Order: sequence, then structure tokens, then C-alpha cells
Amino acid sequence: SDVLTQPPSVSVAPGRTARITCGGDNIGSQSVHWYQQKPRQAPVLVMSYDSDRPSGIPERFSASTSGNTATLTISRVEAGDEADYYCQVWDTSGDQRRIFGGGTKLTVL
Amino acid sequence: EVQLVESGGGLVQPGGSLRLSCAASGFSFSIYAMTWVRQAPGKGLEWVSDVSGGDDRPFYAGSLKGRFTVSRDNSKNMLYLQMNSLRVEDTAVYFCARAAGSIALASTIDYWGRGTLVTVSS
Repeated sequence: SDVLTQPPSVSVAPGRTARITCGGDNIGSQSVHWYQQKPRQAPVLVMSYDSDRPSGIPERFSASTSGNTATLTISRVEAGDEADYYCQVWDTSGDQRRIFGGGTKLTVL
Repeated sequence: EVQLVESGGGLVQPGGSLRLSCAASGFSFSIYAMTWVRQAPGKGLEWVSDVSGGDDRPFYAGSLKGRFTVSRDNSKNMLYLQMNSLRVEDTAVYFCARAAGSIALASTIDYWGRGTLVTVSS
């Protein structure tokens, strides 16, 4: 995949489930990583290697991949989840490079 | 505790050069791949470069190859990014980050620094 497509924004009410998608050719054959970035802060890894949740990340965060779409799911959304979320893969099809999706702004209503 | 502290950012004129540094601590620096990622004001994350641990193999974003050079000094636990022929569009916060392994390929980024701002303007 040389381009990762994310929706610019997702809105969800507190307590509901947010799903943030990341589309790319053959993304199912690659490891997908997800990062959360709050305003004026560095990104934080929230999901690695498709579905591994780092220590300290709530179980409410999960991820999956199907076909050409990877999805980060946040259950029981809280106000503190409001942030930008980025997916990332390594593209090894040509020049070897990291690729980030354009980012999705999650708004908690 | 893993710590990554960037320095060297600032204001530079178009065509100028700048070298960013990243001081790493709290882990065995030499065996980890390291990464530079940048973020232009109000924009998303953009990968700049990786350098593997062990063999110090570099990887670059295609658009930056030839202008940017990544290096590391394992004896000092330091990561560097030499940036030449800077353009206005290189203006961004530059993050130093650690990859979760010695091999950059397919690795995730598990720790990030707070970033250093580079402004390219006349």
C-alpha cells in the first residue's frame, strides 16, 4: 500500500463505540499500527502489529483488519479519548518506507 | 524509563542547513532502530527517516532523499538528522522516536520525544 486513507473526522457520544478506518491496498498483508495524538502532545502508540495493545492502553481499544481496511475500535468512548488517530504501515513494495494515514479527528460529543 | 529529547530546532532561511539531535536514555540505544517523524503546523504525521539498530542501515522518505541524512552515535546514545537545502515546506515539528526492535522494517514506534520545531522562513 502506498496510500492510507482515513476519514478526516469521526464523532461519537460518550459511552458509544467509535470506529476509525484505515484503507489501503493489500493492508491485510501488512502490520498496521495505530497512534493517538492529543493537542500539543507527542503521539502515543495505542495498537501495534494489527491488534497488540501496549501496556497502559485500556481494553476498550481494539483493532482488526479485513480485506483492504483496518479498523481501530474504541468501546465505551470517554471524553479523554478525543484526539487525532493515525494508522501506519511499512510499505515494502518499492522504496521501503513508513506510511502514515492522514489522520482522523475523534470528537466526543 | 525511556526518554527521548530533541534539540537543534529553530529558525533557518530557505536553502540553509540544520542538524537536529536526539538524546536517548533508559534503554540499550544501540540495538534499537530509531525514527524521525515530522508534523507541519496543523497537518498530519509524515515519516522522515529510520535507521536500524546494529547495522545502522538508513531509510528515507523519497521526497527527502538527498537532502536529509540520518546518523547515530551509539557511544553517546545520540540520534541525528542533518537537513540541507531547507525549504519553506520543511517547516514542522520534528519528533525523534524509537522503533520497537532493531530492524526498522515492519516495526512499530513505541516511544516518542516531545519534538523540536524547525521553521524555514526568510
